[in-house]
Amino acid sequence: GQQLNQSPQSMFIQEGEDVSMNCTSSSIFNTWLWYKQDPGEGPVLLIALYKAGELTSNGRLTAQFGITRKDSFLNISASIPSDVGIYFCAGRKGGSEKLVFGKGTKLTVNP
Amino acid sequence: NAGVTQTPKFQVLKTGQSMTLQCAQDMNHEYMSWYRQDPGMGLRLIHYSVGAGITDQGEVPNGYNVSRSTTEDFPLRLLSAAPSQTSVYFCASSYTSAGDEQFFGPGTRLTVL
Repeated sequence: GQQLNQSPQSMFIQEGEDVSMNCTSSSIFNTWLWYKQDPGEGPVLLIALYKAGELTSNGRLTAQFGITRKDSFLNISASIPSDVGIYFCAGRKGGSEKLVFGKGTKLTVNP
Repeated sequence: NAGVTQTPKFQVLKTGQSMTLQCAQDMNHEYMSWYRQDPGMGLRLIHYSVGAGITDQGEVPNGYNVSRSTTEDFPLRLLSAAPSQTSVYFCASSYTSAGDEQFFGPGTRLTVL
């Protein structure tokens, strides 16, 4: 079964607030990826992390690859209405060609 | 480039029927995969392929077959549809591996009655 625990399950925030979500695993991963899915569409990659401790930004988004290699975090600063959607973490173990997804964090932004 | 295309967009089947979900990509990607998405479950890997002629099972392969005769196409076959296979199916491709950026198709919404 799935091995990634993603939290929170959902968030309701006001426009302009910052958002944090995380993903944890009991296993070590070599790659952490963060995807966003808009309603009725397929997920789109936001940030890819390939090294423990790595901190990467993409505009208002910042993600980190945990030092233990068992977790990752995604932060969104100054949220806007178009940030609405479902955010997924995904991880890949070393030597595996299988990508494991978390169950997602549904974000709602109130204007 | 069209990217990753999937057909059909919607499909309704009766229990026991078989069908093939089509997936094609024009980016010359080696890695292709199929996921199913159910409410509250995220995406679960069904089958994947690291290149033409090579396929392997993912997390939830039972009831599904795949083949990869060309780099471009990766069809998913439902042998005998069951209500438990009601889901949204996504095909994805990436340059060489699961860890590369995967480009997802628009999805096929399947209902099995």
